[in-house]
This record gives sequence, C-alpha cells and structure tokens, in this order.
Amino acid sequence: SQKIEQNSEALNIQEGKTATLTCNYTNYSPAYLQWYRQDPGRGPVFLLLIRENEKEKRKERLKVTFDTTLKQSLFHITASQPADSATYLCALVKTGNQFYFGTGTSLTVIP
Amino acid sequence: ETGVTQTPRHLVMGMTNKKSLKCEQHLGHNAMYWYKQSAKKPLELMFVYNFKEQTENNSVPSRFSPECPNSSHLFLHLHTLQPEDSALYLCASSQEDSGDGTQYFGPGTRLLVL
Repeated sequence: SQKIEQNSEALNIQEGKTATLTCNYTNYSPAYLQWYRQDPGRGPVFLLLIRENEKEKRKERLKVTFDTTLKQSLFHITASQPADSATYLCALVKTGNQFYFGTGTSLTVIP
Repeated sequence: ETGVTQTPRHLVMGMTNKKSLKCEQHLGHNAMYWYKQSAKKPLELMFVYNFKEQTENNSVPSRFSPECPNSSHLFLHLHTLQPEDSALYLCASSQEDSGDGTQYFGPGTRLLVL
C-alpha cells in the first residue's frame, strides 16, 4: 500500500526565515502531489498542486518541488510569518483521484 | 453560505446511541467524501460518492452508514460506536472532472464516544 511520510511532527522556525517541509512516498508514483494547510479546529485548505512532469511550482511566498527519482516533494515558505503557523499536509494523488494523506507537519513561526 | 458546512461541530455520544452527521456543499461539486482524522494518524478516507453513487468504501465498519440523497448533501449515520471511533470527521467535496481532484473540506465534527 502507499505510504506517505512527512519529515517531522513539529517544526519551529524564526520569523523571516524559510521553512522547508518534506514529504516522502513509497511505492507508486503519483499523478500529482497536493499540499494543504490545516488550522486547529478547521478542515484542511488546499494550497498548491504539482504534477509528476513538473519540477517546481510557486505561489506568492510558497514553493513546491517534486522529485520523482527521490520520491520526494519539498514545500517551502519564504519570509515566514507567525500567521503561517499551522499544520501542513501532503497528499499524494494517483490516477482516478485516489488520495493518500501524510500525517502532517506542525509548523510554528516564532516572532 | 459558501463552501462546505458540517453539523454538529461537536458531538458526545454513548456507545448505545444513534446519531447522524450532516454535510452540505454549496460549490456545485459532483463528488463528496467522508474522512476520519485521528491524532498522529493520516487522514483516512472512509466513503466516496460520485454523482450520488457510492464508489468507495475503505473497509469501514458497518456501525458507520453513509447516505447521499443528492449531490449537495451527505450524511454519516452512527450507531453502537466504540471509544476508538472518537476522532474528527471531515467531509469534503470535489469536482471529479476538474483534472486535479482538489478537495474542499468542511470544518469537521469533533466526535467523542464515551
């Protein structure tokens, strides 16, 4: 079965620095990867999608990379702010819209 | 209202109770989902409905019973639950022919089974 691993349960970072979150997967290569943000007491919110034939995607201060050889996606938040503090989920999506979520990484940006 | 709504937001029930969770999506999507989220575990997909037809049931115990009367509404009927069923239950919707299957989640129902 598909397994998704996100680098750590919790990540603390100083405001202004770049936060880097890791998502590794085993077995099948996904059609694409998605990243979601989840705040306490709320459902996940979609942030970015990257397809298997894409190396990098950007959206404002967010950047996602996808390395199908390493079976890894990196999620970067540049110039991090305390408001970026949340849990970030990686989702691997196979053909047919089969979703596999990671356990998430809790990010805390310290002022 | 916009987006995906869920009621109730919090629910406490005994193991012999029967209750229902409700989800409504206002996005015009054609697929709806139930997920279970437990602490330190990945989101677990429970049920999928495409065009009101159940297309997936990931070995979910029969004490959970979904119902999808139309493409905007989804219910999860609960009966004789166990304490280990305590979790956050999330509803989501998507447009199946969008090409990326992006999930739009509701706020969830926090369930505690005593």
